[in-house]
Amino acid sequence: DGGITQSPKYLFRKEGQNVTLSCEQNLNHDAMYWYRQDPGQGLRLIYYSQIVNDFQKGDIAEGYSVSREKKESFPLTVTSAQKNPTAFYLCASSDRTGSHEQYFGPGTRLTVT
Amino acid sequence: QQQVKQSPQSLIVQKGGISIINCAYENTAFDYFPWYQQFPGKGPALLIAIRPDVSEKKEGRFTISFNKSAKQFSLHIMDSQPGDSATYFCAALSGGSYIPTFGRGTSLIVHP
Repeated sequence: DGGITQSPKYLFRKEGQNVTLSCEQNLNHDAMYWYRQDPGQGLRLIYYSQIVNDFQKGDIAEGYSVSREKKESFPLTVTSAQKNPTAFYLCASSDRTGSHEQYFGPGTRLTVT
Repeated sequence: QQQVKQSPQSLIVQKGGISIINCAYENTAFDYFPWYQQFPGKGPALLIAIRPDVSEKKEGRFTISFNKSAKQFSLHIMDSQPGDSATYFCAALSGGSYIPTFGRGTSLIVHP
């Protein structure tokens, strides 16, 4: 059963703590992405990775970090430097050729208080 | 700078009615235009997509209309159903990139 998994679905943290969101895919996709979704803001790109051990900043990378040590995994760390971390975070993957369709995970809702 | 402008932000339609969501773009290099559907608490999923070599694409009750000269494209949902209630995102990509530029989304509510 192919797809993208994100865990956990809900995450609560205290202000000042770093937190890592998990994203795993078994679609054999080269490219993976992290988006942040806030009401009325659409999907904003945080980071993306085209291949293992390589990643680029998206539009709102400040306060976030990523790694891509394995093709299947693209974890996102929300650091204490992120001013407004409470949001819905979506991971996606795509093939770099063909239709360019993005496949999204179910999302992680992070609440920082 | 918002490269894909989507409207309306929210839409309420009666069951059986037609839902219409519009998007406009500026970058003439865009050549692939997908629409994504997102249910509450879920990730978006591809609904339908079009390339600019055709003016219309239909899949069931969902139709994309594309106007290349006006740089606009729209999603029409015929015979809208309560199960269509979701957030819809338009997007655009250019041939040299596989990273979509998304519109800000439209929240559709279909009343029974």
